[in-house]
Amino acid sequence: DTAVSQTPKYLVTQMGNDKSIKCEQNLGHDTMYWYKQDSKKFLKIMFSYNNKELIINETVPNRFSPKSPDKAHLNLHINSLELGDSAVYFCASSQQGYAVDEQFFGPGTRLTVL
Amino acid sequence: AQSVTQLGSHVSVSEGALVLLRCNYSSSVPPYLFWYVQYPNQGLQLLLKYTTGATLVKGINGFEAEFKKSETSFHLTKPSAHMSDAAEYFCAVNSGGSNYKLTFGKGTLLTVNP
Repeated sequence: DTAVSQTPKYLVTQMGNDKSIKCEQNLGHDTMYWYKQDSKKFLKIMFSYNNKELIINETVPNRFSPKSPDKAHLNLHINSLELGDSAVYFCASSQQGYAVDEQFFGPGTRLTVL
Repeated sequence: AQSVTQLGSHVSVSEGALVLLRCNYSSSVPPYLFWYVQYPNQGLQLLLKYTTGATLVKGINGFEAEFKKSETSFHLTKPSAHMSDAAEYFCAVNSGGSNYKLTFGKGTLLTVNP
């Protein structure tokens, strides 16, 4: 059983399109995250939700909108895709979102914008 | 504010040799420190973490790290490298505060030569 799963694994799309990435965790965790990993492998947090409530919202264009229908799911919707959005997006979860908690990562979604 | 500096974006060792990956952190409060590993085309996996107490922390796959407050360092070591250790390694810090945000270093790619 996959602890944190993401779909799709690969996403290739044209500039200007709207796309979504889905994430699900079966660990019973309260907190979920979205990270962006750029071409140089640099990882940066984008959003964090705790029990469906947004708690971290980094400086991310408002074309990116996270949605958490329940605490096991955190989806990422991206409007009007741009070339610079090409990256690997990772979903993660942790038990309660405390600083000491281990974060469990999904396998990533490689987004390519043409 | 918190930050992490990983010295050396690429470290190459021979199989059986000592692995040393360097990490220095900056934090205004006592930090929680983590090492994560990313194998090719996979998500991140926790190797080990320092919270409080014993400054020498043992992790999975024979890795360990030592927290040195006076040097603000948390270097990762393994006595004998194995081919399967080839991966990208990320040091991360979480100082707590209102957002419990994990900040990653830029990563160190470890290659292991036969």
